[in-house]
Amino acid sequence: QKEVEQNSGPLSVPEGAIASLNCTYSDRGSQSFFWYRQYSGKSPELIMFIYSNGDKEDGRFTAQLNKASQYVSLLIRDSQPSDSATYLCAVSWTNAGKSTFGDGTTLTVKP
Amino acid sequence: KAGVTQTPRYLIKTRGQQVTLSCSPISGHRSVSWYQQTPGQGLQFLFEYFSETQRNKGNFPGRFSGRQFSNSRSEMNVSTLELGDSALYLCASSLYTGELFFGEGSRLTVL
Repeated sequence: QKEVEQNSGPLSVPEGAIASLNCTYSDRGSQSFFWYRQYSGKSPELIMFIYSNGDKEDGRFTAQLNKASQYVSLLIRDSQPSDSATYLCAVSWTNAGKSTFGDGTTLTVKP
Repeated sequence: KAGVTQTPRYLIKTRGQQVTLSCSPISGHRSVSWYQQTPGQGLQFLFEYFSETQRNKGNFPGRFSGRQFSNSRSEMNVSTLELGDSALYLCASSLYTGELFFGEGSRLTVL
């Protein structure tokens, strides 16, 4: 079993729809949870982080964390073609620079 | 504020050679991490340095090494290159919270 698993893609949604990306992790001691976006040929960029159970909203993005279920998700509302990218879930059990990444989910938003 | 700078961006080496990659973190960031990204394995953690000390290490052979200087700049070295070392090597800097800010990466091709 992988330490961080993401829902298999690719995921395709129409423009304006809600995209839902899911991630589960195996280490119950994990403390920090991150979502990165990676455009093709580019490096990952941080879009959201969450440390506490519940929801965290930032513009069109909402991260949800459920530590009891070892589950973290990312919702993208009003999806735009510019959101088309690979989304990487990352988990860290410290506040250090070591994170464990999932394999990523590729999202395509169709105009 | 300047981002994370990695050099060189592209390089081609042959099996058995060694390579050194350089990374300058965001000003004020004392943590520097290195990751290897390949299509088959995804993003894999190599090591992290904080205040010139290796704080975490991933599951890579001893051919992979790194160091950090007093100005927080970091280098990683791969000796006796193998074909499987062909990858995108990403450097990321961080403050104290684990959020990673990636450089553009160094793409290594081993022939």
